[in-house]
Amino acid sequence: EDQVTQSPEALRLQEGESSSLNCSYTVSGLRGLFWYRQDPGKGPEFLFTLYSAGEEKEKERLKATLTKKESFLHITAPKPEDSATYLCAVQAADSWGKLQFGAGTQVVVTP
Amino acid sequence: DAGITQSPRHKVTETGTPVTLRCHQTENHRYMYWYRQDPGHGLRLIHYSYGVKDTDKGEVSDGYSVSRSKTEDFLLTLESATSSQTSVYFCAISDASGREEETQYFGPGTRLLVL
Repeated sequence: EDQVTQSPEALRLQEGESSSLNCSYTVSGLRGLFWYRQDPGKGPEFLFTLYSAGEEKEKERLKATLTKKESFLHITAPKPEDSATYLCAVQAADSWGKLQFGAGTQVVVTP
Repeated sequence: DAGITQSPRHKVTETGTPVTLRCHQTENHRYMYWYRQDPGHGLRLIHYSYGVKDTDKGEVSDGYSVSRSKTEDFLLTLESATSSQTSVYFCAISDASGREEETQYFGPGTRLLVL
């Protein structure tokens, strides 16, 4: 059975204090790994898709990396507006369209 | 929200009553999905559609049915609402013309409370 585990559950950062979020996954053949950001009371907002080990993608202060067993979302010099819940999801090669989500990491960045 | 609207945005209902949630898209995407989000569980797939009148079950489909009579609309029905169906419901869409197009984009959500 496909599984996605995100850690930590919650993370409190000072503005400018870089950190990383972890997404560990077990899937029978990875078709894609997705990162989303979710603000309170809103729907998830797409950030990145990673397809193969070694792949990296960046957007502003966020950088996502992928290995065969986990993905990291690095937040460099975060600002208060980076406060959100970050969700990771995997799509198995034989489960087109079906995403398996982790429970998320809630990030709070204080000034 | 990628041209996706959900209605209603909030609903309070009583146990045993039928409830229908609507998802409307303006992107002409082929695939549409219904998820529920509960604390500690993350997002879980209820049902999805791969075309007009083509639907399939997801991970937590018991107690839910769906219909899609037009490309732009995907309806989720709770035949007889129970308190365990209190949740936030999200609709998502994706296209199928290439790998990048498989990314799912989410609507704003419907908050449902079953008393």
